Amino acid sequence: GESVGLHLPTLSVQEGDNSIINCAYSNSASDYFIWYKQESGKGPQFIIDIRSNMDKRQGQRVTVLLNKTVKHLSLQIAATQPGDSAVYFCAAFPGYSSASKIIFGSGTRLSIRP
Amino acid sequence: IAGITQAPTSQILAAGRRMTLRCTQDMRHNAMYWYRQDLGLGLRLIHYSNTAGTTGKGEVPDGYSVSRANTDDFPLTLASAVPSQTSVYFCASSDSSRGAWMGGYTFGSGTRLTVV
Repeated sequence: GESVGLHLPTLSVQEGDNSIINCAYSNSASDYFIWYKQESGKGPQFIIDIRSNMDKRQGQRVTVLLNKTVKHLSLQIAATQPGDSAVYFCAAFPGYSSASKIIFGSGTRLSIRP
Repeated sequence: IAGITQAPTSQILAAGRRMTLRCTQDMRHNAMYWYRQDLGLGLRLIHYSNTAGTTGKGEVPDGYSVSRANTDDFPLTLASAVPSQTSVYFCASSDSSRGAWMGGYTFGSGTRLTVV
C-alpha cells in the first residue's frame, strides 16, 4: 500500500527566508506527486506537481524536488511571505492503474515570523 | 458557480438523524470524490465516482453512501449520524480524461459537520 508522511507537523520561518517542507512516500510505484496548500477554513489548493520521470520542477516561488531513490519529496518556497501561512500536504498517486485515489500526507503547518 | 460548490457550509446534527451533504461542480470533470479531514489524520477518502453512474468505496466508507446520477452532482448521505462522524467534509473532482491525474484534484471549501 501507500502511505505518505511529513517529517514535521509544524514549521516556523522568518519572513523573507526560504521554507522547505519534506515528505516521504512508501510505494515505489507512485508516479505522480502533488503539493497542496490549505488555508484556514478553505479546501486544499493545487500548488505544483511532478511526475516520477523528473527530479525537479519549478513554479512561481516554489520548487518541488523528487528523490525516487529514497522516496522523498520536498517543497521549497522562496522568500516566504505572510500569505504562505497554511497547511501544506503532499499527495502521491499510486500509479496510472489506480484511478480512484490519492494518498495524502497529514500536513505540515507553516507559520511565518515577522 | 465556479469550480465546486458544497452545501451547507456547516451543520450541527443530532445523533441518529439523516443528513445529505451536497456537492456540485461546473467543470464537467468525470471523477468526483468525498474526503473527511480530521486533525492529525489528514484527508481520508470516503467514496468516489470515476464517472456518472458509477461509485466506489474509499478508505472509510462505513456509515456513508453516495450517488452519481449525473456528471455535476455527487451528494454524500449519512443515514444515521454518529458523533464519530464529526469532521470537515471535502468534495473534490478531477478530469482524468486529459491523462491520468493531470493537475490533480479541485476541492470545494468544505462542510463542517458536528454530530451531537
